[in-house]
Amino acid sequence: GAVVSQHPSRVICKSGTSVKIECRSLDFQATTMFWYRQFPKQSLMLMATSNEGSKATYEQGVEKDKFLINHASLTLSTLTVTSAHPEDSSFYICSASRTGQWGYTFGSGTRLTVV
Amino acid sequence: DAKTTQPPSMDCAEGRAANLPCNHSTISGNEYVYWYRQIHSQGPQYIIHGLKNNETNEMASLIITEDRKSSTLILPHATLRDTAVYYCIVTEADKLIFGTGTRLQVFP
Repeated sequence: GAVVSQHPSRVICKSGTSVKIECRSLDFQATTMFWYRQFPKQSLMLMATSNEGSKATYEQGVEKDKFLINHASLTLSTLTVTSAHPEDSSFYICSASRTGQWGYTFGSGTRLTVV
Repeated sequence: DAKTTQPPSMDCAEGRAANLPCNHSTISGNEYVYWYRQIHSQGPQYIIHGLKNNETNEMASLIITEDRKSSTLILPHATLRDTAVYYCIVTEADKLIFGTGTRLQVFP
């Protein structure tokens, strides 16, 4: 079955630094990848959608200059949280889908803590 | 906003069937209903999906009403490991927009 690997699973960074999170589709080509954020006891909130080779589309209220998304290949998308602050501490989850096929496969998530 | 509404929480005894309802009254004719679940601090796990026919797989059954305005996810023999938040989702422009889900607690 389709597998999506997300790395790292946990990261602690200092306020003001940047953090990169990777999302890889291991056994399929992901034409579209999605990035979500989840705060404690809340549901997943879609941040952005990225298609391979094109700019990401951000949901309303998500700062594109703060959350940089790159989808340079059909198997890899990255989310960079720039100049992180404690309020960016959250659970970040990626998802991948294939054109013409049903289903969205999720990564295992990245717990980001900014201190 | 999500197109679905679900009860915030439900309880189920271990070994019994868990029936989780979902309303999606604004669903369009070609939109699928997806069910995912999320166990604490993990990524969502796919359960099942359907368009208008009832579906069954090794995890669950999905019953969709004839007018497609609601559906029910059935876990036939709930176990303690089925304790999770269950999300019923109708795609929006090919995106999964999560609602608040149902927190299912399976008790011994």
